[in-house]
Amino acid sequence: DTGVSQDPRHKITKRGQNVTFRCDPISEHNRLYWYRQTLGQGPEFLTYFQNEAQLEKSRLLSDRFSAERPKGSFSTLEIQRTEQGDSAMYLCASLTSGRGNEQFFGPGTRLTVL
Amino acid sequence: KQEVTQIPAALSVPEGENLVLNCSFTDSAIYNLQWFRQDPGKGLTSLLLIQSSQREQTSGRLNASLDKSSGRSTLYIAASQPGDSATYLCASHSGAGSYQLTFGKGTKLSVIP
Repeated sequence: DTGVSQDPRHKITKRGQNVTFRCDPISEHNRLYWYRQTLGQGPEFLTYFQNEAQLEKSRLLSDRFSAERPKGSFSTLEIQRTEQGDSAMYLCASLTSGRGNEQFFGPGTRLTVL
Repeated sequence: KQEVTQIPAALSVPEGENLVLNCSFTDSAIYNLQWFRQDPGKGLTSLLLIQSSQREQTSGRLNASLDKSSGRSTLYIAASQPGDSATYLCASHSGAGSYQLTFGKGTKLSVIP
């Protein structure tokens, strides 16, 4: 257990539905990251927050995706009008400056879009 | 744009053997490099982090090296055990603002009893 938690661990939804995932980082970590991992691939960066500010978004993050980190604590990732291509593992990571900026990952949320 | 490559994609070894996993990257201006382990259907567990000013890091039976000039890192596992079976991923930090990670596709290791 790295101290980063994600909820839910698994989500099955029908195409066109909206889904929301939650990430709780390690409490003292000011930076939070979302990645997406498809089968047989390494994780790909989606977006990151420093405290409550979303500072960078990948081109992978289409306008159907939105992420928030209110009050600089937990974060949510919402996908609207899900498509089958959204099926993947969504991973959250956090870090704090120092320790070489080592990132600690949560267990992930596995999304299956039918 | 940083690209990270891991070879081989899969590796099978008998228990007790020492082994080396390879990672190469295209941009030598990395901030640091991190090795992870991933079990099937699970998240990532950080194994070792090597900062750009370092040449290697050790933790137990694991030793990771970094050669920025050649764009390579290796993860050495001594006396492999069946419990080491997993996918091993390396990732580089850009260090330019976001510290986002760029991952390779991983090497799937199977240690046969």
